[in-house]
Amino acid sequence: ETGVTQTPRHLVMGMTNKKSLKCEQHLGHNAMYWYKQSAKKPLELMFVYNFKEQTENNSVPSRFSPECPNSSHLFLHLHTLQPEDSALYLCASSQDLAGTNQPQHFGDGTRLSIL
Amino acid sequence: AQTVTQSQPEMSVQEAETVTLSCTYDTSENNYYLFWYKQPPSRQMILVIRQEAYKQQNATENRFSVNFQKAAKSFSLKISDSQLGDTAMYFCAFGTSGSRLTFGEGTQLTVNP
Repeated sequence: ETGVTQTPRHLVMGMTNKKSLKCEQHLGHNAMYWYKQSAKKPLELMFVYNFKEQTENNSVPSRFSPECPNSSHLFLHLHTLQPEDSALYLCASSQDLAGTNQPQHFGDGTRLSIL
Repeated sequence: AQTVTQSQPEMSVQEAETVTLSCTYDTSENNYYLFWYKQPPSRQMILVIRQEAYKQQNATENRFSVNFQKAAKSFSLKISDSQLGDTAMYFCAFGTSGSRLTFGEGTQLTVNP
């Protein structure tokens, strides 16, 4: 148990559906992250939030829309996705962005399949 | 831009033996951090060990140790007395200011009984 919880664990959706991924951290961290993990590719950083403010958008298509209502919760809203968006989406948190000596704690991920 | 390369997509080792996973990176930064993360079939990414670039002493965590060669930009992970529970995907990661991590493609390690 890393203190980062992601729901749902699995999600299958059509290209025209709208769904949301949820991440919650119980560690009192201030920074939260979304990553995309595709087979045989390195983890891709998508978004970074620090104190609820987005600090990084790594050229992610607009069909992915993040939301961070508070430092403990992070959402990823999905709409009009493409088959190539099928992947494992990982959420992570860290105490803050002040240096990378602070490890990131990851959730179990949401396995997303686009039909 | 930083890059991280793990040249071994798959490795296997017998239980109780020692295995070394390789990682190289490229950066122009002088101060940075290196990490090894483990992702078992349960999918949860777990920090195994970390190394601060300004420290010459290699980091050690129980059965896990690193061989950090800063000039060669090499950061290998040694697992001693391998256990079945060590079976996982292992990712090497590089980080610098702002907590942005760059990950390698991973090495799938299988520990055989």
